[in-house]
Amino acid sequence: AQTVTQSQPEMSVQEAETVTLSCTYDTSESDYYLFWYKQPPSRQMILVIRQEAYKQQNATENRFSVNFQKAAKSFSLKISDSQLGDAAMYFCAYRSATTSGTYKYIFGTGTRLKVLA
Amino acid sequence: KAGVTQTPRYLIKTRGQQVTLSCSPISGHRSVSWYQQTPGQGLQFLFEYFSETQRNKGNFPGRFSGRQFSNSRSEMNVSTLELGDSALYLCASSRSTTTNEKLFFGSGTQLSVL
Repeated sequence: AQTVTQSQPEMSVQEAETVTLSCTYDTSESDYYLFWYKQPPSRQMILVIRQEAYKQQNATENRFSVNFQKAAKSFSLKISDSQLGDAAMYFCAYRSATTSGTYKYIFGTGTRLKVLA
Repeated sequence: KAGVTQTPRYLIKTRGQQVTLSCSPISGHRSVSWYQQTPGQGLQFLFEYFSETQRNKGNFPGRFSGRQFSNSRSEMNVSTLELGDSALYLCASSRSTTTNEKLFFGSGTQLSVL
């Protein structure tokens, strides 16, 4: 069974600085997708970034980028130029892409990011 | 375009009761999935529906059930509530069940079981 681990329950970053959130996963599958979702105090989760496992190039969305290490099964999120609005709970998620997969999302336990003014 | 709507926002029940939560997906979205969120456990997948059919189910007891209607709206039911069922229940919708499909989440229903 696949698992997703976020070992940092809480992180803090100074406004305008850079922070990296860690995520590791375990799977025997070769084809899958990885996601980072953000949950602000409003509770409504928002997709931050996604990565296809077959792509070697790391995904980037404005100030958000990932460091995807397939062999190490690591998928970290880097937030550059942190803003107060980035304060939220961040969840790493995995989803199988194989036809035999169950396609369900598997989420980590989350990392709460605090941004200090 | 209206987002995913979950009702009610908050709910307080006592042990042994049953509860029904509602989720209205974004217009045109045919896939709805449900998650249970508790502190320290993250999000646990409950089930996913597409075109009124349950496509996937998580590892939850039979007390947790759901359904989807022809207009893609979905309901989740929990019978014989237990204290451990206290959680935030999130619903998400997407256009299809394609594996890289982006999920759109509602704001959840916070269920407290006393």
